[in-house]
Amino acid sequence: DGGITQSPKYLFRKEGQNVTLSCEQNLNHDAMYWYRQDPGQGLRLIYYSQIVNDFQKGDIAEGYSVSREKKESFPLTVTSAQKNPTAFYLCASKPDRNYGYTFGSGTRLTVV
Amino acid sequence: AQSVTQLDSHVSVSEGTPVLLRCNYSSSYSPSLFWYVQHPNKGLQLLLKYTSAATLVKGINGFEAEFKKSETSFHLTKPSAHMSDAAEYFCVVSDRNLNKLVFGAGTILRVKS
Repeated sequence: DGGITQSPKYLFRKEGQNVTLSCEQNLNHDAMYWYRQDPGQGLRLIYYSQIVNDFQKGDIAEGYSVSREKKESFPLTVTSAQKNPTAFYLCASKPDRNYGYTFGSGTRLTVV
Repeated sequence: AQSVTQLDSHVSVSEGTPVLLRCNYSSSYSPSLFWYVQHPNKGLQLLLKYTSAATLVKGINGFEAEFKKSETSFHLTKPSAHMSDAAEYFCVVSDRNLNKLVFGAGTILRVKS
C-alpha cells in the first residue's frame, strides 16, 4: 500500500544533541513537507521541498535542517540550536499541482 | 497572506445532536479550503475540500461544509454526532498554487454519551 512512513513514533533527546526524524513516501509525490504541531497552535510549516535537491524554508525553519537527495525521502534534523524542540512533527507529501496531501502518522519528540 | 481563524478551541456536544465547528478565512484571492481531522497521536485525515466548485461540500463520515464568500466562512457541520467523531479538527487554507497549507489553531470536539 502507498503511504508515508515516519519513524520513530516516539523519540527522546538530550539537550544539546542533534536528532534526525525520518520521512519516507512511496506515493511518487513530488512535494514533501515538514510541520510542527504544538497544543493550541495548529500546524506550522518548517520546511518544504517541491523537487529533489531543492527545498525552501517555511515559517519556523530556525534550528532545523533538511535534505532531499531522493524523491522518496525528506529527513528533518532538529539541531541543538532549536530552543524548544519538544513537539509533534508531521511529514506530508503531495503530487505536483494537486491538492491531494497525504500525512504521515507523526513523530513525538521529547527533550529530556 | 492567507489565514484562518477557528472560532472555538473546544466544542462539546451530546451524541446524536448536531455538530457545528466554525472557521473564518482571510485570503486575497479565491481560496482553496480544507477540513482535516486528527485523532490523538495520529496523522491528519482529509474530511473535505473546497476548490471553487460547488459551495456546499460533502465530505466523509457525514460531514459537510459551506463556503460563504460574503461572510468569509467555511463552517463544518454534521447532523448527528457519533462518539467516534471526538477528535481535533483543523480548518486549512492553501496558497494560490496549492503548494503550502496554512492551518487554524484547531477545535477539539468532545462527544458526550
